[in-house]
Amino acid sequence: KQEVTQIPAALSVPEGENLVLNCSFTDSAIYNLQWFRQDPGKGLTSLLLIQSSQREQTSGRLNASLDKSSGRSTLYIAASQPGDSATYLCAVRSQGDNAGNMLTFGGGTRLMVKP
Amino acid sequence: DAGITQSPRHKVTETGTPVTLRCHQTENHRYMYWYRQDPGHGLRLIHYSYGVKDTDKGEVSDGYSVSRSKTEDFLLTLESATSSQTSVYFCAISESFPGQETQYFGPGTRLLVL
Repeated sequence: KQEVTQIPAALSVPEGENLVLNCSFTDSAIYNLQWFRQDPGKGLTSLLLIQSSQREQTSGRLNASLDKSSGRSTLYIAASQPGDSATYLCAVRSQGDNAGNMLTFGGGTRLMVKP
Repeated sequence: DAGITQSPRHKVTETGTPVTLRCHQTENHRYMYWYRQDPGHGLRLIHYSYGVKDTDKGEVSDGYSVSRSKTEDFLLTLESATSSQTSVYFCAISESFPGQETQYFGPGTRLLVL
C-alpha cells in the first residue's frame, strides 16, 4: 500500500526566503506526482503535476522535482511572500492501485510566511 | 477555476440520520470523486465514478454510498450518520483517466455529526 509522508508538518519563515518542502512515498511505481495548495476553509488548487518520466516542473516561483527511484519529491518556493501562506499537499497516483484513479495524499505542510 | 460546486457547504446532523451531499460540475468531465479530509489522515478517497451509473469504491467506502444519474451530478449518501463521519468532504473531477492530468477540487462540505 502506498504511503506518502510530508516533512515538515509546519514551517514558518520570514518573507523573501527560499524554501523547500519535502514529500516521500514508499512505492516508486507511480504514474505521476502532484503538488496542491490548500487555503484555510477552501478546496485544493493544483500547482504542479510531474509525470513519472519527468524530473521536474516549473511554474513561476515554484519548482517541483521528482526522484522516483528514491521515492522523493521536493517543492521549491523562491522568494517567499506572505501570500504563499497555505497548506501544501503532495499526492501520488500509483500504478498498482485497484481503486481506479486513487490519489494517495500526504498529510501536508502548513506554511506561514511572515512579513 | 473548474466549475465545481458542493452543497450544502456546512451541515450539522445527529447520529443515525441520513445525509446526502451533492457535487455538481459544469465541465462535462467523465470522472468524479469523493474524498474526506481528516487531521492526521490527509485526504482519502471514498468513492469515485467513471461515468453515468458507473461507480466504484475507494479506500474508505464503508458507511457511504454514491449515485450518478447525470454526468454533472455525483451524490454521496451517509445512510445512517455516525460521529466518525464528521469530516470535511471534497468532490473532485478529472477529464480523462488520470495518470495524465490533474484533478480539480470543489470547495468542500463541512459535516458535523453529533
